Amino acid sequence: SQWGEENLQALSIQEGEDVTMNCSYKTYTTVVHWYRQDSGRGPALIILIRSNEREKRSGRLRATLDTSSQSSSLSITAAQCEDTAVYFCATNTGYQNFYFGKGTSLTVIP
Amino acid sequence: GPKVLQIPSHQIIDMGQMVTLNCDPVSNHLYFYWYKQILGQQMEFLVNFYNGKVMEKSKLFKDQFSVERPDGSYFTLKIQPTALEDSAVYFCASSLRQGAYAEQFFGPGTRLTVL
Repeated sequence: SQWGEENLQALSIQEGEDVTMNCSYKTYTTVVHWYRQDSGRGPALIILIRSNEREKRSGRLRATLDTSSQSSSLSITAAQCEDTAVYFCATNTGYQNFYFGKGTSLTVIP
Repeated sequence: GPKVLQIPSHQIIDMGQMVTLNCDPVSNHLYFYWYKQILGQQMEFLVNFYNGKVMEKSKLFKDQFSVERPDGSYFTLKIQPTALEDSAVYFCASSLRQGAYAEQFFGPGTRLTVL
C-alpha cells in the first residue's frame, strides 16, 4: 500500500476552529493533491503542492509537504459549516497514476 | 466549473451479466480516467485513456474490463462478465493536460451493485 494506516479518521469541530489533517505516503512523489468530496459528489481538487514547495496557501487553506518524512498536511483556518466534507490526499508515482489516501471525514458543527 | 457527468448513478445487476458505465467528460478534455472505490476504502486507479488508447492501467483493471470512447461520445467502462467483487462506486475523471500536475475533474460516480 502507498499509505499509512493513520490516514483513515473522522474529525468533528466547532465552527470557527482551526483544523489540520495529515497524510503520509511510502514512496517518492512529485506532487501531493488535496481533494474534498461532498456527499454524493465526485472529488474536487482544492490545493496542489509540488515536491519543491514546503507550503502552499489558498484562501483559508494551507498545505504543507515534508518530503524527508514523506508527509503532507492540510489546514483549514476558521472552519465553516460548508467545509464539512471528506478530505483526502493523492500522490503520483507514475505517468498519471495517482494513489489516493482513505481520507478524513470532517464535520463542522455550527 | 467544468462538469463531468456519469450515467447511471446506480446500477444493480446479477453476477455474470455485462454492464456499461457511461461518462460524459468535460468537452475539451483529452485525457480520461476510471477509478474504483469500495465502501470505506480509498479510491483506486483503474485506467487512463488518451487518443483512443489505454495509456496506463492498474492490476485492478482485469481482463473482463474494457474502455472506449467511440466517435468522441461517452467514455465507457464495460465489465463482462461481472463478479461480486466488482461492486463499488466507479468514478470517471477527465483532464485537459497530462502529468502529475494536471487537474483531474471527477464525475459524481456510479454505484454498481453486483448480486
